[in-house]
Amino acid sequence: AQTVTQSQPEMSVQEAETVTLSCTYDTSESDYYLFWYKQPPSRQMILVIRQEAYKQQNATENRFSVNFQKAAKSFSLKISDSQLGDAAMYFCAYRSARGGGETSGSRLTFGEGTQLTVNP
Amino acid sequence: GAVVSQHPSWVICKSGTSVKIECRSLDFQATTMFWYRQFPKQSLMLMATSNEGSKATYEQGVEKDKFLINHASLTLSTLTVTSAHPEDSSFYICSASRGFLPQHFGDGTRLSIL
Repeated sequence: AQTVTQSQPEMSVQEAETVTLSCTYDTSESDYYLFWYKQPPSRQMILVIRQEAYKQQNATENRFSVNFQKAAKSFSLKISDSQLGDAAMYFCAYRSARGGGETSGSRLTFGEGTQLTVNP
Repeated sequence: GAVVSQHPSWVICKSGTSVKIECRSLDFQATTMFWYRQFPKQSLMLMATSNEGSKATYEQGVEKDKFLINHASLTLSTLTVTSAHPEDSSFYICSASRGFLPQHFGDGTRLSIL
C-alpha cells in the first residue's frame, strides 16, 4: 500500500517570501500522479498543482512549483511571493496511474497535512 | 473547471435520526465518487468509493449499515448516515472523478448530532 508523509505539521512564512512544504511517499509502482491540495478555513479542497511521475520536468502553476525527485520519492511544494490568501492547510496526495476505470486506481492517498501561516 | 455540488453544507439534527448528504457533479459524468470524513486539523479519511450502478466499496473499519452510499447515476451520489449519534458528528466531503482526471471536491457538509 502507498503511504504519504508530511513531516511539517505547521509552517510559517512572511508575506512576499518563499516557503517550501515537504512531502515524501512510498510506493512500489512506477507510474502514478502526485498532487498538492489547499484547504483554506472554508474547508474547500482546491487543487494547487499536479505532477505525472513519467514527466521529469517539474510542474509549475504561477507562484507554485514542485521539486519532484522520483528516486528519492520526494515531492515538495514551493510557494513564491507568499500572499495572505495562501494561508491554509496543504495536503500532498498520491494516486496510482493503474487502470483509470478501476476503483483502486483512482483513489487518493493523503498526507497528514501542513498548516501554513502567512505573516503580514 | 469541473464543479461538484454538495448539499447540505451544514446540518444539525437530533440523535437517532438519519441524515442524507447529496453529491452532484454538475458539468461532467463522474464514473467514480468518493466519500471522506475529516476531523478538525486532520487529514481526509476515505470512507468509501462508489462506481455508478454498483455497490460501494467501504474502507476497513467503516460500517456499511451505518453509512449507506448510493450512486444511482453518473451525476449523483448520496451518503446516508443512519441512526446518527454524537460520535458521527464530523465534516464529510465528497469528490467525483472520471478515469484519469483529477478528483474534484464538493464544499463539504458539517454534520452536528445533538
